[in-house]
Parts: sequence; C-alpha cells; structure tokens
Amino acid sequence: DTAVSQTPKYLVTQMGNDKSIKCEQNLGHDTMYWYKQDSKKFLKIMFSYNNKELIINETVPNRFSPKSPDKAHLNLHINSLELGDSAVYFCASSQRRVGQETQYFGPGTRLLVL
Amino acid sequence: GENVEQHPSTLSVQEGDSAVIKCTYSDSASNYFPWYKQELGKGPQLIIDIRSNVGEKKDQRIAVTLNKTAKHFSLHITETQPEDSAVYFCAASPRGGTASKLTFGTGTRLQVTL
Repeated sequence: DTAVSQTPKYLVTQMGNDKSIKCEQNLGHDTMYWYKQDSKKFLKIMFSYNNKELIINETVPNRFSPKSPDKAHLNLHINSLELGDSAVYFCASSQRRVGQETQYFGPGTRLLVL
Repeated sequence: GENVEQHPSTLSVQEGDSAVIKCTYSDSASNYFPWYKQELGKGPQLIIDIRSNVGEKKDQRIAVTLNKTAKHFSLHITETQPEDSAVYFCAASPRGGTASKLTFGTGTRLQVTL
C-alpha cells in the first residue's frame, strides 16, 4: 500500500502555464508538507499544514498556493510557471506529536518548465 | 534560522569498509536530528534519527552520534554494501519535531564500489 502518493509523477509544461500537483497520505497523519528539491539535490521546505491549517510558509513566491481540503490531502497550485520552477517537488506527512515526528516522503513530482 | 552543513559532498568507499558523514547545525534549540537516504528517482526515506537527550543510537550497521555542545552529529555505516549507494541527508529540527520545520543538509552522495 502506498503511504504518501503524488500525482503526476512527471510534469512537462511551457513557461506561463498554470499547473497543480496533488498529494494524498493514508497514514492517518495530521500534518503535511511540500518540499522543493533543486538540481543540486538541495531540499527545502515550502509549506506545512496541520489539520488543514497553514503552519509553515517559507519565503515562496505567491504564485505558489497550497490547499488542504482535508487532513489526508495537500495540493500545490503554481501560477505563471517560470524556468526556475523546474525541480522535484516532494510531499511529506507526519504526526504532530513528540516521538512521532518522522516525516514520510512521497515519490516526488518532476516538474520541467520549458 | 537553522543552518545545517554536511560533509563530504561525495564519498566513495570499497564494499565492506565504513563510511562516515558529518553534519553541523547552528540553532542550539534544535533537538531532533533525522537522517534520510534517497535512492535514484525516489523520495527520501528515514534510516535513523536521534534526539538531544541521547548521545548515540545504533540500528544494525547504522549508527548516529550527537555532540550537543559542539553542535554536530554524524552517521556511521559499517560493512558497506552496494545497496548502500545513495544520497544521504542529515536534518535538524528546532522545535522538538512537533511538526516543525526540518532544515536539511546539502546531501552526501555515497558510492560503494565492489
């Protein structure tokens, strides 16, 4: 059974387009995250939601808008895509409780902006 | 904010040898330190973690040590095998891991040669 799943796995699009990435977790966790991994493999947090409430919002362009319809889902919508948005986007989830904070990552969405 | 430095960036060892990866962090409030392994085309997977009330933790061939005074922690892999080849990331969390932000190191590409 897939714990954290993301769709699509690959996304190739033109500059200026709008696209969405979806994430779902079946671990019963209450917290979900979006990370960006650039071409040098550097992993950086973008957003985090706890029980549908935004709790971490790093310095990310406002073209990126996360949405959490429920605890098990976290989507990422990107407007007006730019070349620099090309990266791998990972979703993760965890439980907001000391001792259970391990973050479980999805397989990633490889975004290429042409 | 937290800053995590990781060395070396690449590491090549012969099968059966040991590998050591070192990380330093800047925020003295950090008290949760996970290590992730990322295989090609996959998301990061937790391999071991340590909390600040513990100096060392071991799980079969993998061990992690933490020196809070010096603000550094290390990953030790003994009897390396070809399947250990991957990119390894250290991370630090400044708020005890309660859904707080993980700051990742820059990664170490480990190559285990036959």
